[in-house]
Amino acid sequence: EVVLTQSPATLSLSPGESAALSCRASQGVTCCLAWYQQKPGQAPRLLIYDTLKRATGIPARFSGSGSGTDFTLTISYLEPEDFAVYYCQQRSSWPLTFGGGTKVEL
Amino acid sequence: EVQLLESGGGLVQPGGSLRISCAASGFTLASSAMSWVRQAPGKGLEWVSSINDNGAYTYYADSVKGRFTISRDTSKNTLYLQMHSLRADDTAVYYCAKESVRATHYFDYWGQGTLVTVSS
Repeated sequence: EVVLTQSPATLSLSPGESAALSCRASQGVTCCLAWYQQKPGQAPRLLIYDTLKRATGIPARFSGSGSGTDFTLTISYLEPEDFAVYYCQQRSSWPLTFGGGTKVEL
Repeated sequence: EVQLLESGGGLVQPGGSLRISCAASGFTLASSAMSWVRQAPGKGLEWVSSINDNGAYTYYADSVKGRFTISRDTSKNTLYLQMHSLRADDTAVYYCAKESVRATHYFDYWGQGTLVTVSS
C-alpha cells in the first residue's frame, strides 16, 4: 500500500499569502496524484489531478507540482474561501489511498 | 447536471448489516466507474470500494474485504454498498463518488454523504 504523508498538519496563514502543502509518498506514484479541498460539512472537491492538471472550474491560483514521491499543492494568493482541509490521493496502485490532510487556517 | 444522492445510513449494532444507496442523475451509471469513500468523525478520507465502468470488476480496501459488497442497478441508475459484520470502526460518513472520465480513479463528483453509526 502506498502511504501518503502530508505536511504540515496545520498551516496558519492570512488572506493574500501563499501556501505550499506537501504530500510525500512511501513509493513512487509517477504522475498519478490528485488534490482535494474539503470544507466543514461538505464533500471533498477535486482541485488538481495527474499532479498538475486543474479540474474544471478551479481557479489558476491553485497549482500542483512534483514527481516520484514528492508533490506540492501551491495556493498562490489565499482567498477567504480557501481556508479548508486539503487531501492528496494517489491512483498509481490499489488500494487507492489518501493522505491525512493539511488544514489551512486563518 | 451530475447529482449523487446517498441514503440508507443510520444506527446499527455491532455485527449487524446495512445497505446504503446512491441514486445518480445527470449521467449513466452503466458507463461510469464509481466508488465509495468514507470519513470517520473528525478524521480523514478513506477509500472503501470501487466498481469499474462496465461493472465487471470490483475492488475493496483490506479493511472491508469479505464484509462489504459494491454493486449497481443500472435500470435504477443506483449504486449500492452492502455492509455485513459491521464494527465500531466502520462508523463514518459514507460518500459515493463518480470517477473522472478524463482520468480514472480520481473523483470529480461526490454525494453529500450518509452517516453510518455502529454502536450498541
